[in-house]
Amino acid sequence: EVQLVESGGGLVQPGGSLRLSCAASGFTFSSYWMSWVRQAPGKGLEWVANIKQDGSEKYYVDSVKGRFTISRDNAKNSLYLQMNSLRAEDTAVYYCARVEGEVGMDVWGQGTTVTVSS
Amino acid sequence: AIQMTQSPSSLSASVGDRVTITCRASQGIRNDLGWYQQKPGKAPKLLIYAASSLQSGVPSRFSGSGSGTDFTLTISSLQPEDFATYYCLQDYNYPHTFGQGTKLEIK
Repeated sequence: EVQLVESGGGLVQPGGSLRLSCAASGFTFSSYWMSWVRQAPGKGLEWVANIKQDGSEKYYVDSVKGRFTISRDNAKNSLYLQMNSLRAEDTAVYYCARVEGEVGMDVWGQGTTVTVSS
Repeated sequence: AIQMTQSPSSLSASVGDRVTITCRASQGIRNDLGWYQQKPGKAPKLLIYAASSLQSGVPSRFSGSGSGTDFTLTISSLQPEDFATYYCLQDYNYPHTFGQGTKLEIK
């Protein structure tokens, strides 16, 4: 079964750091671009970042540039999002998703919740 | 960044109705647009890719059209399980951007 499972969310103080993980199974992880998408409470979806199959290209939404880093370990079938200098507005459910070429984000995880609050 | 404007923001309809949701891009995006469905507490689900291609396993009552700046998602005959929030997403360039969502509610 094709599956993505996020972990690492939690409560963190403003200015703090958190590392999210996304474990992939059931497909050849190293063959796909991967994404992070977030959703603040009661709000819409926001694309956060993409990473190429070999990690050589990374793209971010402006609001997280310089603070968040997307990475991957193909040997471990895992995707990561290192989040530093966290702000209250980063509070959201964070989803990882597989990008199937021109098809788009065709497989999603269940999400992990990040709360930034003092 | 390309802005994606969806309309309406919310919509009340009945089972069996035909509904159309519109998404407009602030600049041309060819056909690099997808439609996603999200139910409360769940992850989004891909419905349509490349503006008009039906994702595998998605019922044929869903269809998409458009190119350039104007796009539509149509549900030909609403079913109870279709009441959800729908989002468009442009992946023409970075940053990718979603529309603000259309909440489809039962009348």
